[in-house]
Amino acid sequence: QSALTQEASVSGTVGQKVTLSCTGNSNNIGTYTVGWYQQISHDAPKTVMFGNSLPSGIPDRFSGSKSGTTASLTISGLQPEDEADYYCSTWDFSLSAQVFGGGTKVTVL
Amino acid sequence: EVHLVESGGGLVQPGRSLRLSCTASGFIFGDNAMSWVRQAPGKGLESVGFIRGKAYGGTTGYAASVKGRFTISRDDSKSIAYLQMNSLKTEDTAVYYCTSGYYLDYFEDWGQGTLVTVSS
Repeated sequence: QSALTQEASVSGTVGQKVTLSCTGNSNNIGTYTVGWYQQISHDAPKTVMFGNSLPSGIPDRFSGSKSGTTASLTISGLQPEDEADYYCSTWDFSLSAQVFGGGTKVTVL
Repeated sequence: EVHLVESGGGLVQPGRSLRLSCTASGFIFGDNAMSWVRQAPGKGLESVGFIRGKAYGGTTGYAASVKGRFTISRDDSKSIAYLQMNSLKTEDTAVYYCTSGYYLDYFEDWGQGTLVTVSS
């Protein structure tokens, strides 16, 4: 059972906007910055967002936000190359550990 | 550009030990926390543990599943982080990724991963 909760799957057509959510509690998401990671097929994960900051080289169709104990990753204008698994993570001070969500599989129809 | 390269993975019998290395470049190594994340076959990402940067005393933390068996260390003079894995179990079979970041909230950069298979 993951400390953070993500949808198992999300799908959309090319050009559509999709939003992934990551729900935690006041010990983790409510207090700390959330990172989002894209994993295509069985490649190494890649960081696509931390907080609402875009790492260098990541397209600006990716955006991040947080409200209370839920963080969101939005892909505005879904592209075929965005098909991947997406994971969220943050720090949990009650566990003194980094925690992950179970991952969301994004399918481009 | 940041590069993280893991090495040391392979096939090992249950109960034996293995040491992974992560060689870093492209950033001031001593400033960053170094973490290890693993992914068992067909499963999601799992934090293994971390070692803080020198500004935070280089302290370590571990997942409950590996505490007492795994040890993370670092050699700032060589820009290398290590994951010493003892008393390995079949459930430790996974791809192990090295990650870095100034804060522990999130992981900024990732290595390509190294596969560890624990099997008799």
